[in-house]
Amino acid sequence: LAKTTQPISMDSYEGQEVNITCSHNNIATNDYITWYQQFPSQGPRFIIQGYKTKVTNEVASLFIPADRKSSTLSLPRVSLSDTAVYYCLVVDQPGTYKYIFGTGTRLKVLA
Amino acid sequence: DVKVTQSSRYLVKRTGEKVFLECVQDMDHENMFWYRQDPGLGLRLIYFSYDVKMKEKGDIPEGYSVSREKKERFSLILESASTNQTSMYLCAIQRGGAAGNSYEQYFGPGTRLTVT
Repeated sequence: LAKTTQPISMDSYEGQEVNITCSHNNIATNDYITWYQQFPSQGPRFIIQGYKTKVTNEVASLFIPADRKSSTLSLPRVSLSDTAVYYCLVVDQPGTYKYIFGTGTRLKVLA
Repeated sequence: DVKVTQSSRYLVKRTGEKVFLECVQDMDHENMFWYRQDPGLGLRLIYFSYDVKMKEKGDIPEGYSVSREKKERFSLILESASTNQTSMYLCAIQRGGAAGNSYEQYFGPGTRLTVT
């Protein structure tokens, strides 16, 4: 059974770069690693996903080492509005929809 | 803009009652999911459906059932509610195709269910 581990919480200041790492074992070799953001009283919102190396979009970057046993979400120059819970998601069984969400990292951005 | 709506934002039920939570989408996506979210446990998959009348169990299906009679609607049923089913329930949709494609899911706002 795939399992993920994330830090419970992190604090940062506005304008800093924030890196959140998720450790995951037993994941399929060719399935996406995906990250979501969740604000209070809302459902999670997709941020980014990738297979390997580095993926960047307008919101974040995702770094995945060759062994795929971890992934790091990087948020450049955070603002107060980035205060949220961030989840990584992996697939337990290849080719299925059995998704495993991490327990989430609560990011607090301070002024 | 993607719309995933859930029938209630807040619901209070008594132990033993039958509870229906409904999710409706306007995106014509094949896949629909029900999760529950509890502090310290994150999101856990209860059931998902990849087509009308098709369903598969997730990690914690005990005490729940689902129904998908139309493509746009996916219902979660608690046959006899218990206090340990007090939780936030989230519905999600995802475009179909081979599993292993994009895992971009769209979530509804959630239903906070309290069973007393």
